[in-house]
Amino acid sequence: QVQLQESGPGLVKPSQTLSLTCTVSGGSISGAGYYWSWIRQSPGKGLEWIGHIYYSGTTYYNPSLKSRVSISQDTSKNQFSLKMRSVTDADTAVYYCAREDPSYCASPSCQGWFDSWGQGILVTVSS
Amino acid sequence: ETVMTQSPATLSVSPGDRATLSCRASQSVTTNVAWYQQRPGQAPRLLIYSSSTRAPGIPARFSGGGSGTEFTLTISSLQSEDFAVYFCQQYNNWPPYTFGQGTKLDIK
Repeated sequence: QVQLQESGPGLVKPSQTLSLTCTVSGGSISGAGYYWSWIRQSPGKGLEWIGHIYYSGTTYYNPSLKSRVSISQDTSKNQFSLKMRSVTDADTAVYYCAREDPSYCASPSCQGWFDSWGQGILVTVSS
Repeated sequence: ETVMTQSPATLSVSPGDRATLSCRASQSVTTNVAWYQQRPGQAPRLLIYSSSTRAPGIPARFSGGGSGTEFTLTISSLQSEDFAVYFCQQYNNWPPYTFGQGTKLDIK
């Protein structure tokens, strides 16, 4: 059974960069078949998909965040990471990493649902 | 972006009763909807995908339905552990994936 665990600072200053890592166990991020996503949840905006990465290194981002976000992977550590630049207090949220099952395919891409989630990490943006 | 609107915001139901939660999409998402349960202090848990397919390990009292823009999640015979917040998610019109704002299921 795959397990995901987020890690990183719980407090980030405004205008700085938020950096989080997700460590995956019980499954490999190097294999085809799943995407690896970041999702956040805040009282104001609810659940918001940030973006995902495929084993090939291909990434897709939410258009509303695309200019500030990057997702990368370290297959040797079975980890993937999120960087969000120029944060403001609106970026205060619980951040989740999740495994995405892209079983719905409508050319040229596949999309799907989130079948495993990390426990989440609260990140507060404050000076 | 496809907006998912859930109703009601809060639903009060007695244990043992049936609960029906609704989710409406701002444009057709065919049957590409998933439902999640979130208990306090926990991450969301996948219940249903493809509108009506239960995820592995999900009890049969959970059922989903709908297509196009109207979807429902029904929980027959509510158990104490079912009182939680429920979210719908569409994955038809992407990017981005979008979620509903949630329905809180309360004990009556």
